[in-house]
Amino acid sequence: DAGVTQSPTHLIKTRGQQVTLRCSPKSGHDTVSWYQQALGQGPQFIFQYYEEEERQRGNFPDRFSGHQFPNYSSELNVNALLLGDSALYLCASRKDRGLYGYTFGSGTRLTVV
Amino acid sequence: QKEVEQNSGPLSVPEGAIASLNCTYSDRVSQSFFWYRQYSGKSPELIMSIYSNGDKEDGRFTAQLNKASQYVSLLIRDSQPSDSATYLCAVKTGNTGGFKTIFGAGTRLFVKA
Repeated sequence: DAGVTQSPTHLIKTRGQQVTLRCSPKSGHDTVSWYQQALGQGPQFIFQYYEEEERQRGNFPDRFSGHQFPNYSSELNVNALLLGDSALYLCASRKDRGLYGYTFGSGTRLTVV
Repeated sequence: QKEVEQNSGPLSVPEGAIASLNCTYSDRVSQSFFWYRQYSGKSPELIMSIYSNGDKEDGRFTAQLNKASQYVSLLIRDSQPSDSATYLCAVKTGNTGGFKTIFGAGTRLFVKA
């Protein structure tokens, strides 16, 4: 049973560019959340998707946007990249109904230069 | 006030000892609480979840919840060097409009052989 898969694993971008990160949730999971984790910090909640809609959002600017597809996979888009956007981006999935914790993907390491 | 607070550590314990990790949260109506373990360079892994006041045991791990004090803890008995990792406390908070899971900054644990 495949867990949460993310692509790419590493990415280097230049300031001002745009980036798209992808996530396939674990089989049977319908809710996807994205987190940003800076070195030495806990994961910071970006947003959550369920039924193809953004259901909750953290304190991130509009440069961060996302999408969920009918097969529950998801994308995270970041526009106008800043140096401070360099971080590990984690996708996490779970079943919506019930008191479940998240299963995390291995993450995408984004470096903005 | 941060939504989820943890002592960043590092917490150092000898092999075989009990490691005690603590977490407080600010949203009184939070219902679900989780502990994740994150090894260096890896993504978080769910190790415990707790929803009711009291203790929940799973192998060498015991989670404790006190909703009146807004306090969650994790005890690791017979600590092993392989337990050395960052432990993240997470709280699921929100309302019928949507829930989000917020993480603390994590406590680094070192188990000395």
